[in-house]
Amino acid sequence: DTGVSQNPRHKITKRGQNVTFRCDPISEHNRLYWYRQTLGQGPEFLTYFQNEAQLEKSRLLSDRFSAERPKGSFSTLEIQRTEQGDSAMYLCASSFLGGDGNTEAFFGQGTRLTVV
Amino acid sequence: QKEVEQDPGPLSVPEGAIVSLNCTYSNSAFQYFMWYRQYSRKGPELLMYTYSSGNKEDGRFTAQVDKSSKYISLFIRDSQPSDSATYLCASPNYGGSQGNLIFGKGTKLSVKP
Repeated sequence: DTGVSQNPRHKITKRGQNVTFRCDPISEHNRLYWYRQTLGQGPEFLTYFQNEAQLEKSRLLSDRFSAERPKGSFSTLEIQRTEQGDSAMYLCASSFLGGDGNTEAFFGQGTRLTVV
Repeated sequence: QKEVEQDPGPLSVPEGAIVSLNCTYSNSAFQYFMWYRQYSRKGPELLMYTYSSGNKEDGRFTAQVDKSSKYISLFIRDSQPSDSATYLCASPNYGGSQGNLIFGKGTKLSVKP
């Protein structure tokens, strides 16, 4: 296991189309997070899972966004009816919460979405 | 006002210089502070994290927290061209999970050979 893996690395889509991104976390990690990063800004939190349960969602996550982690392993982030404002880098991170507390969050390389 | 503020730079220094990167935060409930390094078109990687006030050193990097002034710093000694990247400060959101991080905008650093 070499870290958090995100696919695809790049996605160009036409406005109005649906897109889905995948994140494979580090295998023993039970927490998985999604962030969005636009040019010149730091990452902004979208949502997070502990195992398969989605425990927190940001107000940034509009109704067009949905995230799943069906078996507590990989996760998908879907954006429906994409808009140009959705163009950004979508980052996934994972960490492990155990008896000793939370470990650091490791980020993937991101999926860069361009909506044309 | 954003909860974590960071001067976006850019900051350009000669190789070997000491670099000082700074952030301020507004929420006095913040307890943990992280510094991430992000190379162009890559995901952020954790450099250091600190809890409470004081200094933490790791090789050429020193992280400093001053809770009384809500000021956090990252110092890089003997800077190298490979240190050229964007440096992000972050803190877990109060009331959220430790992974729910509030990031600054990032400071873009360029170290010239």
